[in-house]
Amino acid sequence: SQKIEQNSEALNIQEGKTATLTCNYTNYSPAYLQWYRQDPGRGPVFLLLIRENEKEKRKERLKVTFDTTLKQSLFHITASQPADSATYLCALGGTGRRALTFGSGTRLQVQP
Amino acid sequence: DAMVIQNPRYQVTQFGKPVTLSCSQTLNHNVMYWYQQKSSQAPKLLFHYYDKDFNNEADTPDNFQSRRPNTSFCFLDIRSPGLGDAAMYLCATSRDGRGVQQPQHFGDGTRLSIL
Repeated sequence: SQKIEQNSEALNIQEGKTATLTCNYTNYSPAYLQWYRQDPGRGPVFLLLIRENEKEKRKERLKVTFDTTLKQSLFHITASQPADSATYLCALGGTGRRALTFGSGTRLQVQP
Repeated sequence: DAMVIQNPRYQVTQFGKPVTLSCSQTLNHNVMYWYQQKSSQAPKLLFHYYDKDFNNEADTPDNFQSRRPNTSFCFLDIRSPGLGDAAMYLCATSRDGRGVQQPQHFGDGTRLSIL
């Protein structure tokens, strides 16, 4: 069955450093991969979408990579700030399929 | 601002007592989704509507039903809530990208507690 793995342990980093979060998947060939941010008690908020034929996507301090050979996506936040502290979810989708399959997320804690 | 609004934010019901959760959107998106999310777990898709077409996930219990009377509103009905149904219920919308996946816009959820 399809499986998405995100590190369940919280990632603690110092302000100003680069945070790198990992999303691995098995038994899946997604056409798209999306990253969302979720704050406690709130709904997820869309950050970035990357297609299978794109290696890298950037938006301000955010960068996403997508390696279909390794079946992995990396999500980077450069110059991290305490306000970046949240849970980050990856979600996979297929061509012609509207629904997404979400990972359980990794909690990021940025220390001032 | 265009948005997805869920009411109420917190809902308490009794074991076995039917409950309805509401979602409205001002984005005019034709796709609406309902997810269940338990603590520290992934949001789990229950079903979605493409316009009026209802799409149920294979593992969604029959206890969960949905209605979409118009583009703006969607309801989640839980006919006989059990203790295992206590969770955050998230509504989301997206526009139809005609095969090209679009981002989903989420409401802030309804936290359902079962007594």
